[in-house]
Amino acid sequence: QKEVEQDPGPLSVPEGAIVSLNCTYSNSAFQYFMWYRQYSRKGPELLMYTYSSGNKEDGRFTAQVDKSSKYISLFIRDSQPSDSATYLCAMSAGDYKLSFGAGTTVTVRA
Amino acid sequence: SQTIHQWPATLVQPVGSPLSLECTVEGTSNPNLYWYRQAAGRGLQLLFYSVGIGQISSEVPQNLSASRPQDRQFILSSKKLLLSDSGFYLCAWSVEGGAGANVLTFGAGSRLTVL
Repeated sequence: QKEVEQDPGPLSVPEGAIVSLNCTYSNSAFQYFMWYRQYSRKGPELLMYTYSSGNKEDGRFTAQVDKSSKYISLFIRDSQPSDSATYLCAMSAGDYKLSFGAGTTVTVRA
Repeated sequence: SQTIHQWPATLVQPVGSPLSLECTVEGTSNPNLYWYRQAAGRGLQLLFYSVGIGQISSEVPQNLSASRPQDRQFILSSKKLLLSDSGFYLCAWSVEGGAGANVLTFGAGSRLTVL
C-alpha cells in the first residue's frame, strides 16, 4: 500500500464548475498537508498549506484536512481554463521529508 | 525574495555517460535542499536532502550521488547513466527549521533522457 493515495484522473470539467480533489494516507504521524499545482513541463508550485485538521480558504481554493479519516481535499470554485494542471497532494510528519501523491490531472473546458 | 535556479533544463545523454545537474538558491541562508525525481504517473520520489554544507542524506540506493559544496548550491551527479535514470529531476528548498521547513519551493526542473 502506498503511503499516499491519489486518484490520477484525468478529470475534465466545464468552466465554472467546482473541482474536487482528494488524497488518502496511511501514516498517522503526518501533520503538515500541502497542495501543489504543476503545469506541463514545469516545477510544482505551492497552492495551499495546512497544519493539522481543519479548513483553509484562499480565494477560489479551499483545503480540508480530516486527520481522523486520514483524508484531505482541495476544492476549486468557479474553475477557469487556467486551472488546467496536475494537482499534487503532499504531506509531512515534521521531519522535513514530504510524501507525495501521484497527482491528478485536471482539464477545465472553456 | 528567494529564487531557485536549476540547470540545464533539458538534456539527452547516452547510456554510460556522466551527469551533473546544478541547483542554486538566492535570497536565503542555510536552506534545506532536496533532489526529487518525477516519473510519469508515479509522483515525486525523494532522492537526496541536505541540511547543511557537506551533509547529504540518501533516500534511495542508486547510481546517483549528491553534493553540497556551498551553502546554497546543490549538485546531482552520476558517473554512468542508466536507461532507468531518465526522468524529470526537481531541486527544491525550504527554510532551515520550524513548521516552514516542511514547505518546499521547487525549481523549474531538468528533463533527462538517457538513450
